[in-house]
Amino acid sequence: AQSVTQLDSHVSVSEGTPVLLRCNYSSSYSPSLFWYVQHPNKGLQLLLKYTSAATLVKGINGFEAEFKKSETSFHLTKPSAHMSDAAEYFCVVSDLGGSQGNLIFGKGTKLSVKP
Amino acid sequence: DTEVTQTPKHLVMGMTNKKSLKCEQHMGHRAMYWYKQKAKKPPELMFVYSYEKLSINESVPSRFSPECPNSSLLNLHLHALQPEDSALYLCASSQTGVGNQPQHFGDGTRLSIL
Repeated sequence: AQSVTQLDSHVSVSEGTPVLLRCNYSSSYSPSLFWYVQHPNKGLQLLLKYTSAATLVKGINGFEAEFKKSETSFHLTKPSAHMSDAAEYFCVVSDLGGSQGNLIFGKGTKLSVKP
Repeated sequence: DTEVTQTPKHLVMGMTNKKSLKCEQHMGHRAMYWYKQKAKKPPELMFVYSYEKLSINESVPSRFSPECPNSSLLNLHLHALQPEDSALYLCASSQTGVGNQPQHFGDGTRLSIL
């Protein structure tokens, strides 16, 4: 069975400093992995996705994530945080070719950005 | 602006009311989803429609009744809801519903049950 663990429920950084949001996954098959962001009172927006192509995935708004099979990790990074990055971030796993709707969400990491 | 449009944005209803949530997408996607999200929690899957047919019902109470009139529209009919049903209801769509496809979410309907 697949699962995903977001290692931090809350991360706080200063504006202009790097962001690291950690995610570990468990999957019986080749996983597809996604990071979504949710701003207050908004829906979820796809930041990036990994589907067995390049292990370093670039997303929107300067975010990127690296798939490390040996560590079963898919951490999200950004070199320099902006105030607008403050939001909830969800790491999501899905089995490649799995059944419909089979997205497994992590519990989320709240990112706070201090001026 | 999101490509999945949900109406209304907010809804307050009593426990005896009947109301409907609506979702529309024009991306040509053939899979559509309803999720329920409580505060500070990830979304929980409720229903999946694939090619206008209900393919997944995650043991949702019958007071929630989904409907997919065509490939662009998804409704969620509500009747006799309970206070614990107060939540953000999110609609999403994907190309065909295969698990490796990203889902595109609307901004949700914030539902409050009095």
